[in-house]
Amino acid sequence: KQEVTQIPAALSVPEGENLVLNCSFTDSAIYNLQWFRQDPGKGLTSLLLIQSSQREQTSGRLNASLDKSSGRSTLYIAASQPGDSATYLCAYPRFHQGGSEKLVFGKGTKLTVNP
Amino acid sequence: GAGVSQTPSNKVTEKGKYVELRCDPISGHTALYWYRQSLGQGPEFLIYFQGTGAADDSGLPNDRFFAVRPEGSVSTLKIQRTERGDSAVYLCASSRGPNYGYTFGSGTRLTVV
Repeated sequence: KQEVTQIPAALSVPEGENLVLNCSFTDSAIYNLQWFRQDPGKGLTSLLLIQSSQREQTSGRLNASLDKSSGRSTLYIAASQPGDSATYLCAYPRFHQGGSEKLVFGKGTKLTVNP
Repeated sequence: GAGVSQTPSNKVTEKGKYVELRCDPISGHTALYWYRQSLGQGPEFLIYFQGTGAADDSGLPNDRFFAVRPEGSVSTLKIQRTERGDSAVYLCASSRGPNYGYTFGSGTRLTVV
C-alpha cells in the first residue's frame, strides 16, 4: 500500500480560485511533514515544514495543516496565480534502527492555473 | 554555499559508460541524501550519509551504484555500466537535522542512450 497518497493527481483551475491539495499518510507517529513544489525538469523547493506538535503553518498565500490522528495534511493555496502551476509533493521522514532516516514521498499533485 | 548545488544539470551518456554525479550540500549540513525520480513519480531514496559514512545505502538498486562523501561535504554518486533504465532525475538533499527539514538541489537529469 502506498505510504503517502496525494489526491488529486492533477488539478486544473482558473486564476484566482482558492484550492486545497490533499496528502494522506499511514504512519500516525510522523515527526514532521514537509510540502515541496517542483517545476518541470527542476529540483524540489521547500514550501512549508510542519512539526508534529503544530497544527498548521502559513507562508504568504500558502497554509498547510497537519492532523496526525487522521493521517492527513492539506495545502491550501489562496487566490491562485498562473505562476503557481507546478507539481506539489508532500513528504515525511521515516526513521530506522541504526540512525537511518528517509523521506517518504507521495507522487504529487500536478497543478495548472489557467489565466 | 547558499543552497545545494548539483552538477552537471544534464548528462547524456551511452549505454555501458561510467558516470559521476556531484552534490555540494549546504555548508554545515551533516546529513546528505541521494534520491532518484522517474517521470510522474515521487523521489525514491537511494542513500543517506551522516558525516562521511553511509548510514543507509539500502536504496541503491544494485552494485553498479556507489556513492562517496570522503570529507563529509561534497558527495559523488557513481554509476558503472549504465543502462537505459538508469535514466532519471537524480536529486540530492542536505539537512542539519530532521527538525529543520530538507533542502534539495536542482537535480541532474541523466539520459542513457
